[in-house]
Amino acid sequence: DAKTTQPNSMESNEEEPVHLPCNHSTISGTDYIHWYRQLPSQGPEYVIHGLTSNVNNRMASLAIAEDRKSSTLILHRATLRDAAVYYCILRGTGGFKTIFGAGTRLFVKA
Amino acid sequence: EAQVTQNPRYLITVTGKKLTVTCSQNMNHEYMSWYRQDPGLGLRQIYYSMNVEVTDKGDVPEGYKVSRKEKRNFPLILESPSPNQTSLYFCASSRTSGTPPFEQYFGPGTRLTVT
Repeated sequence: DAKTTQPNSMESNEEEPVHLPCNHSTISGTDYIHWYRQLPSQGPEYVIHGLTSNVNNRMASLAIAEDRKSSTLILHRATLRDAAVYYCILRGTGGFKTIFGAGTRLFVKA
Repeated sequence: EAQVTQNPRYLITVTGKKLTVTCSQNMNHEYMSWYRQDPGLGLRQIYYSMNVEVTDKGDVPEGYKVSRKEKRNFPLILESPSPNQTSLYFCASSRTSGTPPFEQYFGPGTRLTVT
């Protein structure tokens, strides 16, 4: 089962960009890269996904390395509401055993 | 409103007393899953189900049972709870067919304390 590796925590200043890295060296060709975030006292919520190309949506951007062994979630202007735990996971079309790991806790300073 | 519901939201019980945590989704999703969350360990998958009558073990299935008799429901059963099952539990669901990404929708969580 493919695993991901993320830093335990990161810190950012409000209104500055944040780059959250994720390594997934055992990714297979059919695995999508998903990012979720978990706000305090809530369940995780989907943020963004990608397969090979960089992706943008209203919440964030996802930059995927050319070899797909790593990716970076980009929050363009961090706000205090973005303080959360961010999880990077792999999800294939052939199997759905999911490994979340401990994620990255993002601290945002005013 | 599309949602995943869990009941109860909070439960305090004693060792050995069988309990069931219910999970229901109204999105006609094929996939459902249970996770537990403990400090410093993130989310760990307990069991998942690809469809009715199809279940499989996640990373930490010991001490838990599940069943999937209906598409919308996926109860988590603790036949003989122990204190090490004190945790925050999340249910999730997703599609498995059509166009990816098959993102998971999570319930609000059930905080279980076993004394």
